[in-house]
Amino acid sequence: QQQVKQSPQSLIVQKGGIPIINCAYENTAFDYFPWYQQFPGKGPALLIAIRPDVSEKKEGRFTISFNKSAKQLSLHIMDSQPGDSATYFCAAVNAGTALIFGKGTTLSVSS
Amino acid sequence: EPEVTQTPSHQVTQMGQEVILRCVPISNHLYFYWYRQILGQKVEFLVSFYNNEISEKSEIFDDQFSVERPDGSNFTLKIRSTKLEDSAMYFCASSESGQVNYGYTFGSGTRLTVV
Repeated sequence: QQQVKQSPQSLIVQKGGIPIINCAYENTAFDYFPWYQQFPGKGPALLIAIRPDVSEKKEGRFTISFNKSAKQLSLHIMDSQPGDSATYFCAAVNAGTALIFGKGTTLSVSS
Repeated sequence: EPEVTQTPSHQVTQMGQEVILRCVPISNHLYFYWYRQILGQKVEFLVSFYNNEISEKSEIFDDQFSVERPDGSNFTLKIRSTKLEDSAMYFCASSESGQVNYGYTFGSGTRLTVV
């Protein structure tokens, strides 16, 4: 119940494409869903986050779509660039301090 | 921009040895965390620490692990007797409040290799 399931494991897109990363969860008590971007040798860095009372959140080229009834969310990266190549993690929090991470998606954007 | 600093960046240790991983959280943050990431796998929560005591820990954080804030700036993770399966990237994080949505910042990690 505490799991966050993320897919796909890896993704390759061409520059300008729109990669989509999906997450699903079971625990309806989760109340905050951050997405993290991680470059090799670095720690995860917060990219964008959403709460369950919002169906969409957009920040620059990054958009989260949230389907509360289906307990699913997805990250879209518009006009993807080679510099977006990284590992992306969705995560969830249940009113506590611990983040529960998905397994990550390694994105490669080719030029 | 304020950073969470971790040292060393890479540590190699013999199985059975004790290791101490060090972290300097952001100065005005009050909550501190350790996470680990086994190569190619997800980031997993180990422990959170507030007001000089553990506030939450996962089942991974067994008696082999301990945390300490020995002074006003450092936050350490000790593994008493390392096992091969402890090889992972260990991330320290800190936050201003206990809520994840307020300034939760990760360090760059310490890669621990147990041989």
